Amino acid sequence: DAKTTQPPSMDCAEGRAANLPCNHSTISGNEYVYWYRQIHSQGPQYIIHGLKNNETNEMASLIITEDRKSSTLILPHATLRDTAVYYCIPRNQAGTALIFGKGTTLSVSS
Amino acid sequence: GAGVSQTPSNKVTEKGKYVELRCDPISGHTALYWYRQSLGQGPEFLIYFQGTGAADDSGLPNDRFFAVRPEGSVSTLKIQRTERGDSAVYLCASSRGGANTGELFFGEGSRLTVL
Repeated sequence: DAKTTQPPSMDCAEGRAANLPCNHSTISGNEYVYWYRQIHSQGPQYIIHGLKNNETNEMASLIITEDRKSSTLILPHATLRDTAVYYCIPRNQAGTALIFGKGTTLSVSS
Repeated sequence: GAGVSQTPSNKVTEKGKYVELRCDPISGHTALYWYRQSLGQGPEFLIYFQGTGAADDSGLPNDRFFAVRPEGSVSTLKIQRTERGDSAVYLCASSRGGANTGELFFGEGSRLTVL
């Protein structure tokens, strides 16, 4: 599985966009990039995933570079409830388990 | 609808005791995962079931840990001769299985404290 590098922590003002980077330079061609988040004292929550193209859903947008070596999760209008640890996880679709790293702790403040 | 349910939510036990943690997955989900999470760390993979069989148990730390899913639904994680280092939150997740199964639904976890 590809290794990932994420900043340990980030701050964001409420209402502003939060851009969370992830480096996955060793990602293989059949690995998708998954993003999860974990709010304090809760189980992780799926956010979004993609392979090559940028993706958007009701929670976030995912921008993947053309060489697929990095990606950015964008929360367009962060709220206090978005304070959480965000995990970037490369995974192939062969039914393997998700392997979590340490993630980025995002703190949203008013 | 009902999500993944884990019981007990909290368990305190003494070193050397036997513990069982239960997971009720979302109805119809064929894949089930167990993770454990220590303070300040990301979830650590333990075992993954596809149906009744363990598809990958490479994350189980030693032979004191065992998990079953006899009917392909409810799963039980069993820990023998507990040690203080086993203290953690044990998370269960389920998914639909098959291709494109990276969307896992997690329970709230069972917090195990070994005194």
